[in-house]
Amino acid sequence: EPEVTQTPSHQVTQMGQEVILRCVPISNHLYFYWYRQILGQKVEFLVSFYNNEISEKSEIFDDQFSVERPDGSNFTLKIRSTKLEDSAMYFCASRRLAGDVGELFFGEGSRLTVL
Amino acid sequence: RKEVEQDPGPFNVPEGATVAFNCTYSNSASQSFFWYRQDCRKEPKLLMSVYSSGNEDGRFTAQLNRASQYISLLIRDSKLSDSATYLCVVMASGGSYIPTFGRGTSLIVHP
Repeated sequence: EPEVTQTPSHQVTQMGQEVILRCVPISNHLYFYWYRQILGQKVEFLVSFYNNEISEKSEIFDDQFSVERPDGSNFTLKIRSTKLEDSAMYFCASRRLAGDVGELFFGEGSRLTVL
Repeated sequence: RKEVEQDPGPFNVPEGATVAFNCTYSNSASQSFFWYRQDCRKEPKLLMSVYSSGNEDGRFTAQLNRASQYISLLIRDSKLSDSATYLCVVMASGGSYIPTFGRGTSLIVHP
């Protein structure tokens, strides 16, 4: 069964360092998302990506965040200068259908710990 | 006002019990509704989509009430393995199609 894969599963970094989280969405899916979940809190939307560009971003997704789809399969989230409060689980998700139908499929997540 | 609201619980029930969760949403343009299950420190996994006519999958029944803007999940004959957090997800039409999550309702099924 096709699945969304994410790497790394866990990354520990120092405050101020750059981090890149990688995702390989399901191949025939059209929409891609990054969500984050701070421990004990809700799953929060960061950004959506469709047709090779950002379609929507939340207020959390400020200038220190960026996304790319460099080669048609990988979908990356970059955090330029990490802060302590960026410590969270970051989930990549993809959705097959256009419009407002079709469920999200999630990767297993990348746990980011900023020291 | 929060977009998607759920009672965080926890709901603590014995095996075999029936338990129901509700979720309310604020955006009347919402068109797609889902229940996800999330185990501790794991990714959300789709439990079931919620259709206008209501739908059932084994011990799980989902209902949608558009007039009152809420969805519900009923779990019958609870198993220990049902212990998890149940996330309500709502997606609105007309533009960005961003699935929005509720905070989740924690269920603990005990022997």
